[in-house]
Amino acid sequence: GEDVEQSLFLSVREGDSSVINCTYTDSSSTYLYWYKQEPGAGLQLLTYIFSNMDMKQDQRLTVLLNKKDKHLSLRIADTQTGDSAIYFCAESMGTDKLIFGTGTRLQVFP
Amino acid sequence: GAVVSQHPSRVICKSGTSVKIECRSLDFQATTMFWYRQFPKKSLMLMATSNEGSKATYEQGVEKDKFLINHASLTLSTLTVTSAHPEDSSFYICSARDWADPTGNTIYFGEGSWLTVV
Repeated sequence: GEDVEQSLFLSVREGDSSVINCTYTDSSSTYLYWYKQEPGAGLQLLTYIFSNMDMKQDQRLTVLLNKKDKHLSLRIADTQTGDSAIYFCAESMGTDKLIFGTGTRLQVFP
Repeated sequence: GAVVSQHPSRVICKSGTSVKIECRSLDFQATTMFWYRQFPKKSLMLMATSNEGSKATYEQGVEKDKFLINHASLTLSTLTVTSAHPEDSSFYICSARDWADPTGNTIYFGEGSWLTVV
C-alpha cells in the first residue's frame, strides 16, 4: 500500500542546516516532491526529484533520494527564520495524484 | 508561471447549508484537477479527482453526494459541500498540472479554502 512518513517536528538554530526526512513504501514512485506550507496558507512547491536520480540541488535546497531504502531527505542550508513552516514530502506514481507524508514542522530559532 | 487560484479563501456557513469552493487554473488549461482536505495538524488527504466534462472519481470513504464536484470547463472545478455539518470544517485545497510546462512535471496547488461550519 501507499504510506509516506515523516518525523513530526524539527527545531534548528538560524544559520544551521536543516535535514527533513521522509520514508515511503511504494517502490513504483516516479516522482517525489517537497512542498512548504506556511501557517494558514496553501502549498508551495519547493522542488522535486525523479526516481532515477540520487540527488538534486537548487540553491539552498538539496534533495537526496535513496531508492533502495525508500528514503528521501530535504536539506536546507543556512536555515532562516522565514523557513519556519510545515514541510510535506509527496510521491506520485506517474499520475497527478499525490500521496502526502504527515508533514514536518520546522521551527527556526535565533 | 502557472497559477491555481481558489475562492473563497475563508468561508463560514451555517450547519445544514451548502457552500461552493472554486478552483481555477489562471493561465493554463487543466483537464484534471484534484481536491484535497487537510484536518488540523494533519496531512493532506486526496478526496477526489475532478475530470473535465465527466464525473469525478472519489477516493474510498468520501461521500460523493455530500462533496459535489463539477469540472465544467478546462479552467474551473468547483467543490460543493452540501448540507454542511461542523465536522466538515476543514482546509480544502485543489491542485492541477500544467501539461504545457516544459519541465512537464509541475503540479500547482491553490491557496486553499478554510471552511468553518457553525
